[in-house]
Amino acid sequence: DAGVIQSPRHEVTEMGQEVTLRCKPISGHDYLFWYRQTMMRGLELLIYFNNNVPIDDSGMPEDRFSAKMPNASFSTLKIQPSEPRDSAVYFCASSLETDLWGHSGNTIYFGEGSWLTVV
Amino acid sequence: KQEVTQIPAALSVPEGENLVLNCSFTDSAIYNLQWFRQDPGKGLTSLLLIQSSQREQTSGRLNASLDKSSGRSTLYIAAPQPGDSATYLCAVSTSGTYKYIFGTGTRLKVLA
Repeated sequence: DAGVIQSPRHEVTEMGQEVTLRCKPISGHDYLFWYRQTMMRGLELLIYFNNNVPIDDSGMPEDRFSAKMPNASFSTLKIQPSEPRDSAVYFCASSLETDLWGHSGNTIYFGEGSWLTVV
Repeated sequence: KQEVTQIPAALSVPEGENLVLNCSFTDSAIYNLQWFRQDPGKGLTSLLLIQSSQREQTSGRLNASLDKSSGRSTLYIAAPQPGDSATYLCAVSTSGTYKYIFGTGTRLKVLA
């Protein structure tokens, strides 16, 4: 498997513009996570899905942020309108609750991240 | 609210000198603890996962221990090499959820 795939890898946008980040989780994984990483706040969980259903979005900073998972192989994180303070690296990650051998693991696999700069 | 702390924030050691990285958490009701490695400009790679019923896990030169009662975990790296230079993060998930809360990491530099 190619791992978790995120796009775009880098984006520079102007304040007020809409930003859409995309994620393809590892095939067969039933959990998907969106994290944001900044120097000041470290790695923060924004939202996570189980079987395409949002379970906890308490980390989403404001109504400007929204996330969807229309199917098991695709998720988006949207920021509208974007602000300079949204500049960060956004990571998508996926995991499998129970592996083929019945082991509960939840090892998390991260994508390479989307580096967002809002000017 | 679970808080995860990693001290020190940065560490430099000579090649071959065994080292220990520390992770502490405030709520002992955890489900799993994971140690990750992050290289500059890259995503995180899971190194070791310890379930709440376990005391330690080993992978190659890495050994992670877990003491839930004291809210601590350590990552022992044997014979570190310059290629081990990276930021190491620990993360805990709370019982009943799959939310991982991350520490701020320890930036390790292994000197040749």
